[in-house]
Amino acid sequence: AQSVAQPEDQVNVAEGNPLTVKCTYSVSGNPYLFWYVQYPNRGLQFLLKYITGDNLVKGSYGFEAEFNKSQTSFHLKKPSALVSDSALYFCAVSVYSSASKIIFGSGTRLSIRP
Amino acid sequence: DAGVIQSPRHEVTEMGQEVTLRCKPISGHDYLFWYRQTMMRGLELLIYFNNNVPIDDSGMPEDRFSAKMPNASFSTLKIQPSEPRDSAVYFCASSLGTAGGETGELFFGEGSRLTVL
Repeated sequence: AQSVAQPEDQVNVAEGNPLTVKCTYSVSGNPYLFWYVQYPNRGLQFLLKYITGDNLVKGSYGFEAEFNKSQTSFHLKKPSALVSDSALYFCAVSVYSSASKIIFGSGTRLSIRP
Repeated sequence: DAGVIQSPRHEVTEMGQEVTLRCKPISGHDYLFWYRQTMMRGLELLIYFNNNVPIDDSGMPEDRFSAKMPNASFSTLKIQPSEPRDSAVYFCASSLGTAGGETGELFFGEGSRLTVL
């Protein structure tokens, strides 16, 4: 069965510093990996996805994520954090054999202090 | 496009009552998903449809839950009878399948916050 883990419930970063939100996955087969962001009282919004190709994926709002097959990780990164990046971030995974079944991690709350 | 539209946004009901949540996906999208979000369990996939056909309902908690998609522009999630543990935010999402067979990005509605007293 596919699963995804976000080991940190909360990440705190000062504005202007780089940020990393961690994600590891477990699947049988080739993974499709996603990051979504949720602002208070809103639905989730798509940030980026990895299907195949370059291990470094660039997405919305200056975010990027690096696919590491050997470590089964897909960490979300941004070189310089903004206060407006404060939100709940979800990593998600699906597999080719059931590409439509997208499973989400537990979420990581990112807090950027001015 | 107006995006995925869910109704009601908020529902407060008493235990034992029937609850119906509604979703209008983005026009042209061929996948529709129902998720439930709680503090304890996070975001759970309940069921998803492709071209109005239920593909996987293994996440539906029990027989009290049912979902239908009578046409491409409308889906319902029904809970009968409702229980306090069903209190959660229920999200509907839609997406467009790709030529490679995988789904594209999910577009989520604003959610329906259900409180069962």
